[in-house]
Amino acid sequence: AQKVTQAQTEISVVEKEDVTLDCVYETRDTTYYLFWYKQPPSGELVFLIRRNSFDEQNEISGRYSWNFQKSTSSFNFTITASQVVDSAVYFCALSEASGGSNYKLTFGKGTLLTVNP
Amino acid sequence: AAGVIQSPRHLIKEKRETATLKCYPIPRHDTVYWYQQGPGQDPQFLISFYEKMQSDKGSIPDRFSAQQFSDYHSELNMSSLELGDSALYFCASSLGTGGLTEAFFGQGTRLTVV
Repeated sequence: AQKVTQAQTEISVVEKEDVTLDCVYETRDTTYYLFWYKQPPSGELVFLIRRNSFDEQNEISGRYSWNFQKSTSSFNFTITASQVVDSAVYFCALSEASGGSNYKLTFGKGTLLTVNP
Repeated sequence: AAGVIQSPRHLIKEKRETATLKCYPIPRHDTVYWYQQGPGQDPQFLISFYEKMQSDKGSIPDRFSAQQFSDYHSELNMSSLELGDSALYFCASSLGTGGLTEAFFGQGTRLTVV
């Protein structure tokens, strides 16, 4: 069965620090999709990135970057020069291609990031 | 651009009552997903529909039912509400279910059972 582990329950940093959120996943499928979502205090789920299992290229988008390593089943997320507005709960999620719907997501428990001024 | 619309945004019900949540997908999207997120929890997949047929089922209680209508909107019906049903309910929509499709989440309906 698929599983997503976010070992960090809470992280607190000071503004402008870099912070990495860890995500480790388990799946038996060879084709799967990994996601990161941000959930600010207002509650909505904000899509950040989706990665296919056959694309291990790391990605950078502004202050955000993602490190996908199949060898360690990890999909870590780094925020560079964090800002107070980055404060939110961040979820890593997984869906398996064999699961039918590609958005039948299994979420990790989330990491609460607090960025202090 | 049009997004996924969920209504109502907030709902307060008493125990044992019935609630109906509605989801209006992005125009032309034919697939709808429902998720339940309890307080301090991660979202849990409930059910999905593709072209008005149930396509997948997760941890949806028997007291809950859902359907997708001819205009592709979806409704989640919850009966005999329990305190534990208090949660944020998300709907997402996509065009198809293939690997390259992308789903978009609505802003959620916050259900409080008292």
